[in-house]
Amino acid sequence: AQSVTQPDIHITVSEGASLELRCNYSYGATPYLFWYVQSPGQGLQLLLKYFSGDTLVQGIKGFEAEFKRSQSSFNLRKPSVHWSDAAEYFCAVGEIGGAQKLVFGQGTRLTINP
Amino acid sequence: DTGVSQDPRHKITKRGQNVTFRCDPISEHNRLYWYRQTLGQGPEFLTYFQNEAQLEKSRLLSDRFSAERPKGSFSTLEIQRTEQGDSAMYLCASSWSSGANVLTFGAGSRLTVL
Repeated sequence: AQSVTQPDIHITVSEGASLELRCNYSYGATPYLFWYVQSPGQGLQLLLKYFSGDTLVQGIKGFEAEFKRSQSSFNLRKPSVHWSDAAEYFCAVGEIGGAQKLVFGQGTRLTINP
Repeated sequence: DTGVSQDPRHKITKRGQNVTFRCDPISEHNRLYWYRQTLGQGPEFLTYFQNEAQLEKSRLLSDRFSAERPKGSFSTLEIQRTEQGDSAMYLCASSWSSGANVLTFGAGSRLTVL
């Protein structure tokens, strides 16, 4: 069965600092991988996705993520965070074919210090 | 394209009452998903439809839960005899069925059972 682990429940960084959010997945083959962001009381917004090809993917709001098959990881990065990046971030793995439903990690809550 | 709409956004009910949530997907999408998100957790898959057919249900979807998508457009999720453990955010998402699809989420319907 698929699973996603986000080891960090809560991360605090200073505005302007770099950010890396960790994600490890378990899946029998090459998965589809996603990062979503959720602001308080809101739904999920897609930041970026990996299906195949280049293992470094660019997303919205200056985010990027790197797929590392050997480490079963898909970490999210941003070189310089803004106060508006404070939110909950979810990594998800999707099926190839079939229902294509997503399995989400527990999420990482990001706090930005001014 | 107005995105995925969910109604109501918030519902407070007493234990034992029935509640119904509605989801209007992106009109071109033929797949519709329901997820449940409890506090501090990532979303968990409940069920999905392709057109009007309900193709998969999670074990999380007890007999008190029923979902429909009668004309392959909007969907309803009904919870009968609500329990305090049903308190959660209920998220709807839609997508295409072909290719490497991406789920677009609504803002969610938050249920509080007193």
